Amino acid sequence: GENVEQHPSTLSVQEGDSAVIKCTYSDSASNYFPWYKQELGKRPQLIIDIRSNVGEKKDQRIAVTLNKTAKHFSLHITETQPEDSAVYFCAASEGGTASKLTFGTGTRLQVTL
Amino acid sequence: DAGVIQSPRHEVTEMGQEVTLRCKPISGHNSLFWYRQTMMRGLELLIYFNNNVPIDDSGMPEDRFSAKMPNASFSTLKIQPSEPRDSAVYFCASSFGSNYGYTFGSGTRLTVV
Repeated sequence: GENVEQHPSTLSVQEGDSAVIKCTYSDSASNYFPWYKQELGKRPQLIIDIRSNVGEKKDQRIAVTLNKTAKHFSLHITETQPEDSAVYFCAASEGGTASKLTFGTGTRLQVTL
Repeated sequence: DAGVIQSPRHEVTEMGQEVTLRCKPISGHNSLFWYRQTMMRGLELLIYFNNNVPIDDSGMPEDRFSAKMPNASFSTLKIQPSEPRDSAVYFCASSFGSNYGYTFGSGTRLTVV
């Protein structure tokens, strides 16, 4: 089955700096890669996703890049703000008719003032 | 739409008791997932359904866990008998099918004493 590795496990940046979280996946058939943000005590929420037919997608301060050859994808947050502090999870789908997502282990992002 | 609705939000029970967690997916979504989240193990997929049919239950820890989806708008996860190591946050999520992001419910925080 699919295996998703996520790094780093914790990340501390100063407000205004950029943050990058990286994930690798094992199944070359995977074709859908969402990112979730989970604030303390709350549910994971989808913040951005990318499909295998594109290499990059942006939404305001958030961007995701995908390298299918290397089987890795990354989340980029620019101009970080304190409200960006949360745990971020990457995920990958197994493709085909399956709809199961395999999640990474999460990155705890702390944005300091 | 009210989103994915889970009940109860919190459950405290004694070891050996039966626990039933409930989930109402978003109307029109045809896939439903049960996840367990702990600090040690992160987000673990327990079981998922497509069109009310269980597809993969390989994540169910043992026979003490069972899940049902009698119709498109309701699912239950039952633990009988419960043990302290079952203490976790249990999330239900639904999606519109293959390669679409999940919408998570608010979760049930289970404490077994």
